[in-house]
Amino acid sequence: DTGVSQNPRHKITKRGQNVTFRCDPISEHNRLYWYRQTLGQGPEFLTYFQNEAQLEKSRLLSDRFSAERPKGSFSTLEIQRTEQGDSAMYLCASTTTSGSGGTDTQYFGPGTRLTVL
Amino acid sequence: AQSVAQPEDQVNVAEGNPLTVKCTYSVSGNPYLFWYVQYPNRGLQFLLKYITGDNLVKGSYGFEAEFNKSQTSFHLKKPSALVSDSALYFCAVRDSLNSNSGYALNFGKGTSLLVTP
Repeated sequence: DTGVSQNPRHKITKRGQNVTFRCDPISEHNRLYWYRQTLGQGPEFLTYFQNEAQLEKSRLLSDRFSAERPKGSFSTLEIQRTEQGDSAMYLCASTTTSGSGGTDTQYFGPGTRLTVL
Repeated sequence: AQSVAQPEDQVNVAEGNPLTVKCTYSVSGNPYLFWYVQYPNRGLQFLLKYITGDNLVKGSYGFEAEFNKSQTSFHLKKPSALVSDSALYFCAVRDSLNSNSGYALNFGKGTSLLVTP
């Protein structure tokens, strides 16, 4: 068990550019979440996948954001036409839904810190 | 609706003294409660969770938390603080009746713990 990994760890981009982040969950974890964390705040839910299906998106996820999990393993989060307000830490978490709903522990990756200039 | 509050932005404690980080919650059903710790520029590390059963939950690194249903609280405690415990601590909740967002975690804004030598 190597834990959840995320790449890159840091990304600096200019406003208007597109960026893509990758998350590799713990193997065999069927559920994957993306969260966003801004300075002084706790993480906020963006979207989640059950295997390869994206089942829900938060209202925080504007049309410029898109996420995929093509084979039910790794996931990517793309932000198009970045804005300064997108600057944040983007966290990925995974879990396996072996228990009853809501009781499973989510394990987080180290995050990708995005800075939009 | 589910929510969690961490009333203290910062907690200061001397090494060797007991520490408490406060958390209160609001849910419609039964609460599933979690504590995570975040070190600078790192992701969240799971400490412990309460699902059901014994109100006193023991977790990693000597931490424990006490679930109090009447006070809707889940305070994090440690009998003897270490300088290395200095970090950001997040309380999170899920509502057993709310399966929206795939049981995504709802986080507090965090409490910064500073343990001084």
